[in-house]
Amino acid sequence: NAGVTQTPKFQVLKTGQSMTLQCAQDMNHEYMSWYRQDPGMGLRLIHYSVGAGITDQGEVPNGYNVSRSTTEDFPLRLLSAAPSQTSVYFCASSYTKGRADNNEQFFGPGTRLTVL
Amino acid sequence: SQQGEEDPQALSIQEGENATMNCSYKTSINNLQWYRQNSGRGLVHLILIRSNEREKHSGRLRVTLDTSKKSSSLLITASRAADTASYFCATVESGAGSYQLTFGKGTKLSVIP
Repeated sequence: NAGVTQTPKFQVLKTGQSMTLQCAQDMNHEYMSWYRQDPGMGLRLIHYSVGAGITDQGEVPNGYNVSRSTTEDFPLRLLSAAPSQTSVYFCASSYTKGRADNNEQFFGPGTRLTVL
Repeated sequence: SQQGEEDPQALSIQEGENATMNCSYKTSINNLQWYRQNSGRGLVHLILIRSNEREKHSGRLRVTLDTSKKSSSLLITASRAADTASYFCATVESGAGSYQLTFGKGTKLSVIP
């Protein structure tokens, strides 16, 4: 199993550009989520999904869109990039079993995004 | 919002010593998890402790949970240079929705060979 994969590893954008961060998992996990990690801030939840066709907002959803058309994929779209979105983005997945804290989260390697 | 807050923010010890990190949280919880993050990598799950458990062991890791004080501690015994990493606790806040896992800001552990 490849686990959770993320592409690209690094990306530089100009303000106003849009892009999609890709996330895929091959463990048949129902729950997938996106976090951003900033220095001194820990991880903050952007969006999450409890299954194909179901998504919801986390703590910091503004400026990001998600969709979940398949169990395997959970892309994160930046609509109009801003310097405040410079961060490291992590995708994670797990079995659901009712609550996010019931199961271990499997994390991808991250995407380091810089917005100029 | 940051549910879990780790303490200390940074910790430096000699190889072979024990390392203790603490996590405090604000609301009632069902479970609490600890994760490790090596520099430049994704987080890796270490251990999960349920609210009805007081202590749990996994290899050189010992986790305690005190729900009356809303705190947990992670003890790494006989530390190794390879334990150098950041450590995070994670919980689901009561009232935030059961699918929103919240991480603390982490403790950065440096183990000096």
